[in-house]
Amino acid sequence: AQSVAQPEDQVNVAEGNPLTVKCTYSVSGNPYLFWYVQYPNRGLQFLLKYITGDNLVKGSYGFEAEFNKSQTSFHLKKPSALVSDSALYFCAVSVSGNTPLVFGKGTRLSVIA
Amino acid sequence: DAGVIQSPRHEVTEMGQEVTLRCKPISGHNSLFWYRQTMMRGLELLIYFNNNVPIDDSGMPEDRFSAKMPNASFSTLKIQPSEPRDSAVYFCASSLPDWGAGANVLTFGAGSRLTVL
Repeated sequence: AQSVAQPEDQVNVAEGNPLTVKCTYSVSGNPYLFWYVQYPNRGLQFLLKYITGDNLVKGSYGFEAEFNKSQTSFHLKKPSALVSDSALYFCAVSVSGNTPLVFGKGTRLSVIA
Repeated sequence: DAGVIQSPRHEVTEMGQEVTLRCKPISGHNSLFWYRQTMMRGLELLIYFNNNVPIDDSGMPEDRFSAKMPNASFSTLKIQPSEPRDSAVYFCASSLPDWGAGANVLTFGAGSRLTVL
């Protein structure tokens, strides 16, 4: 079985400050890890993914995520937050890319000007 | 490409009525997924298809729910009869057919918001 936990329902950060959205996972096998973002009244949009290789992956809109195997984590980060980053962020996992994605419950990010 | 197209965007119906949600995936995407989003349960996978064939429907909550994909460009999710607890946003998503590194990059539709009174 595979699962994802996003321990924070809400993250608040001031514009210009760094942001982190946390994610931990549990899989039997090699994890393929993903971040998606959802803006109001829209479907989810792909941000970035980790398959293998460098533990730090870069994605759209200046976001990056760090894969940590020992801590089974895949936290989303951005050096300087923008008000336009305010949205709902979902972490997701697949087992070796051979199973459908299982999503976390989402973390609402609010960037305050 | 216009992306994944879902209809209707909003549906309000009364308990006991039949509801049909529709989805047109991106051309060339042979995998199609139906997800349901609620505040309480988050995003749940209901069913997915590969090459128009249902692969796993274990997420379909009850026999009241059914899904079909008669061809590569169209899928439906039907609820009959509908109940208030079915109120949710239903998303359709599609992806490239191959599992592995290219897989799981889903393109989501804008969703169908269902309210059952």
